[in-house]
Amino acid sequence: EVQLVESGGGLVQPGGSLRLSCAASGFSFSSYWMHWVRQGPGKELVWVSRINPDGSYTSYAESVKGRFTISRDNARNTVYLQMNSLRAEDTAVYYCTRDSYISEIYYGWDAWGHGTTVTVSS
Amino acid sequence: DIVMTQSPLSLSVTPGEPASISCRSSQSLLPINGYIRLDWYLQKPGQSPQLLIYWGSTRASGVPDRFSGSGSGTDFTLKISRVEAEDVGVYYCMQAVQTPPYTFGQGTKLEIK
Repeated sequence: EVQLVESGGGLVQPGGSLRLSCAASGFSFSSYWMHWVRQGPGKELVWVSRINPDGSYTSYAESVKGRFTISRDNARNTVYLQMNSLRAEDTAVYYCTRDSYISEIYYGWDAWGHGTTVTVSS
Repeated sequence: DIVMTQSPLSLSVTPGEPASISCRSSQSLLPINGYIRLDWYLQKPGQSPQLLIYWGSTRASGVPDRFSGSGSGTDFTLKISRVEAEDVGVYYCMQAVQTPPYTFGQGTKLEIK
């Protein structure tokens, strides 16, 4: 069974840092692009960042560029999101999701974690 | 960035009746390798999103055939032929054509009458 389990969320003061983790199981993790998506309270889904299968290529939403860093450890089947200089507007549930992009064909984001909640407040 | 606009933002449907959600993109979503990268996701209450439709019209594994997607260019539609109680939640379209960023619609909340 494909599973994605996020952890690392919590309450942090503005300007603080957190590192989110997403542990994957049930599939060949090192073959897939992975993304982080967030959802503010009562808000829509917003893409945050992506990383390619070997970790050599990353992209970020403009709102987090320079503050967040995505990485992965394929030996541990885990993708990370290091979040620095956190702001109140970063408060959200953060989801990791698997991008089913296989042999240059896109099949959607077919697996999502349950999410981890980040609250930025003093 | 491509802006995705959904309508309506909410709808209330009697069980057994059809429902339709529109998604319009600010730029034409051109096929890549013959496939349109337009997805539909459903976020049921208290749950994470789940993939319903990819390529604009292909149902994901396990999705009932009462769900269908169509469209091309800038106009896309998700239809539910006969709404059931388990279909409640927020539906999102998302484009994965011109990235980054990937962009979602605002979401359409489906309620049961």
